[in-house]
Order: sequence, then C-alpha cells, then structure tokens
Amino acid sequence: QKEVEQNSGPLSVPEGAIASLNCTYSDRVSQSFFWYRQYSGKSPELIMSIYSNGDKEDGRFTAQLNKASQYVSLLIRDSQPSDSATYLCAASNSGNTPLVFGKGTRLSVIA
Amino acid sequence: DVKVTQSSRYLVKRTGEKVFLECVQDMDHENMFWYRQDPGLGLRLIYFSYDVKMKEKGDIPEGYSVSREKKERFSLILESASTNQTSMYLCASSRGSPSDYGYTFGSGTRLTVV
Repeated sequence: QKEVEQNSGPLSVPEGAIASLNCTYSDRVSQSFFWYRQYSGKSPELIMSIYSNGDKEDGRFTAQLNKASQYVSLLIRDSQPSDSATYLCAASNSGNTPLVFGKGTRLSVIA
Repeated sequence: DVKVTQSSRYLVKRTGEKVFLECVQDMDHENMFWYRQDPGLGLRLIYFSYDVKMKEKGDIPEGYSVSREKKERFSLILESASTNQTSMYLCASSRGSPSDYGYTFGSGTRLTVV
C-alpha cells in the first residue's frame, strides 16, 4: 500500500517566521511530488511541484526533495496569517497513476 | 484560466435516493478523478477515468458508480445514498499523466444525506 505521511498538526508559527512542513512517502518508485494548499471549506490548489533531488524555490515557497530518505518538505518564508491553511503533500509514480495524498498538516500563522 | 466545475456547492439528499454529482472541465484533459474528503481520513480516491467510456476503481468504490460519456464530463453516481456517504466530494482533472502536472480540483460538493 503506497502511503504518504504527514504530521497533522496544528503547526503554529509567529508571523514573519519560517514554517517547515514535512512529508515522507513509502513507495520508492515515486517520481513526482506536489504540495497543495487548502483553505477551510475550499478545494486544494497546487502551489509547488518538485521532481528532482534538491531545492526548488518559488517566491516565499521552497520545496525540498530527498529521494534517498524518501522525504519531501515545504518551507514558507516570512509566514503570513493568510498562509494559515492545511497543506497536502502528494506523490506520484511515472505513468498514468493517480496521486497519493497525505492527510495534510494544518498550519496556523499567529499575528 | 483552467476550470473544473462541479455543478452543486451544497446538496442535501434523503437516504435511499439516487444522487448525481456532475463535474465538467474545459481544458481538454484526458484524466478525471473523484475523491471524497473526510476529517481525519484525508482524500480518498473513489473512481477515475483516463478516457471517454473508461473507468477504473479507486480505493473506495463501493456504493458509487461513474459515467464518462464525453471527454469533458465525469459524473459520480450514488446508487442509493446512505448517511455514511455524507462528505465533501472533490472532482479533479489532469493534463496527460498526473505525475507531470498534478491535478486541478473543482470547488467541491458538500453532500449531506439525511
């Protein structure tokens, strides 16, 4: 059974701090990884994707991937109260297979 | 802008009713997916489809069926609604392989079965 594990939180950080969200996956052949943000009562929206080992930066967001450790993370710099949401990690094998989602980590940014 | 549209935002149905949840995408995506999302259980895959008239069971297909007669439309059917099917239902689509671009989600349908 392919699994993606996330700490459910809540993770509380003060405004302006770095929020670090972590995710591990069980299937070694997973190739692609995605971070989705989901506000309460809304649907998930894609914020980052990462396919290669290392870091990928997009604005205040940095995704990190370590395939040897089967570990993915999302860093949010200069956290804002508007970043308060649940963050879902998803993994995918190559080919036409559905994404496997973690249960999400709830982030709370305190003003 | 890319769009996945779910016909109803909120729906209340009675136990035993046949329920249709509609999802339409305007991006010419081949792949479409239905999930339900429940607190503490995360997103669970019900059914998916990689082409017109094709369907594949996900992790929790029991009590559900799907229809994909046209590329842009993927319908989820609850044959006889039960209270344990009260949930948020999310439709998603992907361009090509999900591993390439991930999903675009619809806005969701919150279904309550009474």
